[in-house]
Amino acid sequence: DAKTTQPNSMESNEEEPVHLPCNHSTISGTDYIHWYRQLPSQGPEYVIHGLTSNVNNRMASLAIAEDRKSSTLILHRATLRDAAVYYCILESLADYGGSQGNLIFGKGTKLSVKP
Amino acid sequence: DTGVSQDPRHKITKRGQNVTFRCDPISEHNRLYWYRQTLGQGPEFLTYFQNEAQLEKSRLLSDRFSAERPKGSFSTLEIQRTEQGDSAMYLCASSLEGVGGYTFGSGTRLTVV
Repeated sequence: DAKTTQPNSMESNEEEPVHLPCNHSTISGTDYIHWYRQLPSQGPEYVIHGLTSNVNNRMASLAIAEDRKSSTLILHRATLRDAAVYYCILESLADYGGSQGNLIFGKGTKLSVKP
Repeated sequence: DTGVSQDPRHKITKRGQNVTFRCDPISEHNRLYWYRQTLGQGPEFLTYFQNEAQLEKSRLLSDRFSAERPKGSFSTLEIQRTEQGDSAMYLCASSLEGVGGYTFGSGTRLTVV
């Protein structure tokens, strides 16, 4: 079972910011929050990840709530190429500190971008 | 580096036939993963390797499925006696141990008729 909850779909206008929410109320202290996106007929593409602090990279920003039970992926200026399914995923670290490699994907949020 | 490569991109096979897919990860990545994705669903984890060792297998990986990574580089996923329910996109990903972020290939789409 997916450990995150996301809206099924969202719409945005081109060149406007997009805030994609994710709830993960059962997150544990060693869970990283990952975001991936998937364009049609492509494999998922890594977007961003974080643990506690907000993170920025060239693709997006990740805002993590203080209690870590929710997070928001922020696309600062949506383009038509950002239309995709966005997945919010928790990555658990094994007791020895290493990833078990088992990303649990939900159904994600399908983002549509209108010109 | 051209990223994670998967071959073939598409495969149509008759029920009961065996199929084999290949994945070439990013060369310096020591971890390799296989996922399966059906229409309208997110990818589901099948198995992963660290170097040549297969460290975890999902319950989804029935005894008709076998994955290998003999030299710790490329990997193969074989499905024996295919069934219509095996029709899906099979995705491969790789990563470097201890570093966040997985790189996925474009997948192999299997259709069993």
